[in-house]
Amino acid sequence: GAGVSQSPSNKVTEKGKDVELRCDPISGHTALYWYRQRLGQGLEFLIYFQGNSAPDKSGLPSDRFSAERTGESVSTLTIQRTQQEDSAVYLCASSLARGAGETQYFGPGTRLLVL
Amino acid sequence: GDSVTQMEGPVTLSEEAFLTINCTYTATGYPSLFWYVQYPGEGLQLLLKATKADDKGSNKGFEATYRKETTSFHLEKGSVQVSDSAVYFCALRNTGGFKTIFGAGTRLFVKA
Repeated sequence: GAGVSQSPSNKVTEKGKDVELRCDPISGHTALYWYRQRLGQGLEFLIYFQGNSAPDKSGLPSDRFSAERTGESVSTLTIQRTQQEDSAVYLCASSLARGAGETQYFGPGTRLLVL
Repeated sequence: GDSVTQMEGPVTLSEEAFLTINCTYTATGYPSLFWYVQYPGEGLQLLLKATKADDKGSNKGFEATYRKETTSFHLEKGSVQVSDSAVYFCALRNTGGFKTIFGAGTRLFVKA
């Protein structure tokens, strides 16, 4: 079946512009996660959705970052007034449920470059 | 808070060499432990996992054993191939079940 998909795959933007990143999880997966991966670094947790609600937004780096999920499906991560430090690969993952042992399936990521 | 520490890379090996990538963790409670792999140009994918102490995860010739007494989950493979060249990430998820904590990643190069 289809895996997690993300769009766009690459995005180049100018500093100060807003960007919207999209994630389509695997159908039926109730849990959805956003991570950020800076060049040469590990993954940094941003936000988690259980269904359409986000119990933990503590990973969002600043109030310029927001995310929403609708219909227990698609999620969008929005970055307002982008800064060069926002340049990274943004990864989305989904899992069937929330448990500690659940496997997370990752999308290919959106590579964001802020000039 | 919870954390994962893994050996710095890059690790360069010749084909058929033995591989160990060390991973240790700090966590309260009883986390699940994971190894993820990121091949060049591809997305992150689960390699193996272990959900309780003394469990051994294995896949594609790779193994890792959940050692609670040493808080470790070292990745091993007896004979690496060129196709194993990738970045390997150790990770944990605690019983709260939503936030996965990743190590910084270890890049492996395997030479023919």
